[in-house]
Amino acid sequence: EPEVTQTPSHQVTQMGQEVILRCVPISNHLYFYWYRQILGQKVEFLVSFYNNEISEKSEIFDDQFSVERPDGSNFTLKIRSTKLEDSAMYFCASIPGLGLAGLSSYNEQFFGPGTRLTVL
Amino acid sequence: GQQLNQSPQSMFIQEGEDVSMNCTSSSIFNTWLWYKQDPGEGPVLLIALYKAGELTSNGRLTAQFGITRKDSFLNISASIPSDVGIYFCAGRNNAGNMLTFGGGTRLMVKP
Repeated sequence: EPEVTQTPSHQVTQMGQEVILRCVPISNHLYFYWYRQILGQKVEFLVSFYNNEISEKSEIFDDQFSVERPDGSNFTLKIRSTKLEDSAMYFCASIPGLGLAGLSSYNEQFFGPGTRLTVL
Repeated sequence: GQQLNQSPQSMFIQEGEDVSMNCTSSSIFNTWLWYKQDPGEGPVLLIALYKAGELTSNGRLTAQFGITRKDSFLNISASIPSDVGIYFCAGRNNAGNMLTFGGGTRLMVKP
């Protein structure tokens, strides 16, 4: 069964350093998302991406964050200058497209296993 | 932004018991979803609900989309140890839009 993959599984960095989190969405999917989950808290939306541009973003997704689809397979989240409060699990998700199979679970977001980011 | 209140926050039950959890929102969602998250993993979709009043089952799981479109519940019947995990409700408005997650219900099952 196709799945979303993320690397690395765990990233440790010093405050102020740049990090790039990588995701490989399911191959025929067109919409991509990043979410984060601070330890013990709920999952929070960061950004969605379609057709090489941002579709939606939350208040969390400030100027320190950027996303990119550098080639046909990878989808990356960059944090330019990490802060302690950026420590969290970061999840990538994707969907095939809008309305390709009507309203069905096939069109709902498939999540990757996450990258645990620890900022020291 | 929209907020989802999920309850209970945690449950500790005996194997074989039924479980119920719910989510409420101050505003309408057009789609309600229920996910399960195992430790160290990403959320996995359990059930998707698209119509107000809809009742949908997936094995021992049953979920309903509230008539007002501001709430949903998830029932698990005859719980087993592998049901352990965190269950999240999530709402969204239109296809492709962001998901808003509830705070989660941590389920623990005693064999």
